[in-house]
Amino acid sequence: NAGVTQTPKFRILKIGQSMTLQCTQDMNHNYMYWYRQDPGMGLKLIYYSVGAGITDKGEVPNGYNVSRSTTEDFPLRLELAAPSQTSVYFCASTNTGMVKYEQYFGPGTRLTVT
Amino acid sequence: AQTVTQSQPEMSVQEAETVTLSCTYDTSENNYYLFWYKQPPSRQMILVIRQEAYKQQNATENRFSVNFQKAAKSFSLKISDSQLGDTAMYFCAFIGSTSGTYKYIFGTGTRLKVLA
Repeated sequence: NAGVTQTPKFRILKIGQSMTLQCTQDMNHNYMYWYRQDPGMGLKLIYYSVGAGITDKGEVPNGYNVSRSTTEDFPLRLELAAPSQTSVYFCASTNTGMVKYEQYFGPGTRLTVT
Repeated sequence: AQTVTQSQPEMSVQEAETVTLSCTYDTSENNYYLFWYKQPPSRQMILVIRQEAYKQQNATENRFSVNFQKAAKSFSLKISDSQLGDTAMYFCAFIGSTSGTYKYIFGTGTRLKVLA
C-alpha cells in the first residue's frame, strides 16, 4: 500500500492563478479530508468527504472547492489564489468502519502564493 | 462546540529525561477517541498513541504513555527516556463517534525540543 499520496510536493502560484492539489489513497477508506497548516499552527479542516459523491465544508472552506468522484481520489481546487492561501496542505483519510478512527496523512503540499 | 487546547507552545527536555505534554478538551459526547500525533521537521504526521474514551486504562506505546482523566477532560502525553528523534511538533486531536460525522479537532500543537 502506498497509503495517502499527494501531488505536487511544492508549488508557487501567482495571485489570481488556479490549481488543483491531487490526493489519492489506496486503503479503501471512506472518509477523506483536506487540512491547511499555517506556520507554527495546528491543522484547520477545509473540506471533508464521507464517500464518493458526498462532500461537506470544514472550518475554512472559502476559496476552495473539492469533488469526490471515486473512493480513491479527493482533489482540492484553488480558484483565484490569494497570498492568504500560502500554507502547507495535508490530505488525510480514515476508515470509520474500523472503529479505531486513525487518520492516515499524506506528505503535504507546500504552496506559496506571491 | 468541541475544542482541544494545548497550553504549552514550546517545551524542551534533556535527552534521557521524561517530559509531559498537556492537552485538555471540551465535549458533550460520551464516546470519543483521543490521539497524539507527532510532526517531525519532515512534516509527515505520525500517530503516536490513541485512547478510547470508554477505556479506563491509560494507553501505552513503548516510551509513550498517556494520562487520561475523563472527568477532568484531560489527556496528557508522557515521553520517557527522551531521544533526539523525539524532537517534533506534537498535536493532540479529538474525534467524537456519536455525532454522526467524523471530523477531527486538532490542538494548536506543542513544539518539543530534545537537548543533547
